[in-house]
Amino acid sequence: EIVLTQSPGTLSLSPGERATLSCRASQSVSSNLAWYQQKPGQAPRLLIYDASSRASGIPDRYSGSGSGTDFTLTISRLEPEDFAVYYCHQYGTSSCSFGQGTKLEI
Amino acid sequence: QLQLQESGPGLVKPSQTLSLTCGVSGGSMSSGAYFWSWIRQPPGKGLEWIGYTDHSGSTYYNPSIKSRVTISVARSKNQFSLKLTSVTAADTAVYYCARTFTTFGVATYFDYWGRGTLVTVSS
Repeated sequence: EIVLTQSPGTLSLSPGERATLSCRASQSVSSNLAWYQQKPGQAPRLLIYDASSRASGIPDRYSGSGSGTDFTLTISRLEPEDFAVYYCHQYGTSSCSFGQGTKLEI
Repeated sequence: QLQLQESGPGLVKPSQTLSLTCGVSGGSMSSGAYFWSWIRQPPGKGLEWIGYTDHSGSTYYNPSIKSRVTISVARSKNQFSLKLTSVTAADTAVYYCARTFTTFGVATYFDYWGRGTLVTVSS
């Protein structure tokens, strides 16, 4: 099983700042990685797929990068609605897995 | 707009079988371009993929719970189901159904999710 490790566990920033979230895989997943945003009481929402492609309707302040084992989700200028938990998800093997999440808080 | 909706009992006794159904509206499950998945999230914890089925009924399960899981599809009703046997308190979670995009027949990301349903395992 591929283990995804997200860092930091919690990120404290202010609106207008830049957020950088990391996801590291225990072995290469090529570009088979997605990012989701989850707010309290809601289902996760797809943000990024194939490491760097934005899902439909996602603002361009969200960007993803990386390949192999190291990936980054960047939010260029934080808006109040961006404060949530973010999960990475690898689908490079037949048994997919999620990271443990990064909480982005004000 | 595709919508998914989970339904089933919110309380299951230990050692019994958890059964949930996901109804799909706004699109057909018959397309081979997608798989149909179950994912769960224990309270306050992260996400765990359970498994998925394709339009023909072929299934793929997380090895960690494979021995207790059955996912089936009812295309005529545009729905798919989850059964998890011999449940314990550790199976208490919000259960989500989701559509899985596929590339060349391989499962990739989850692009549409249901709102989730909390299932508590308790006597």
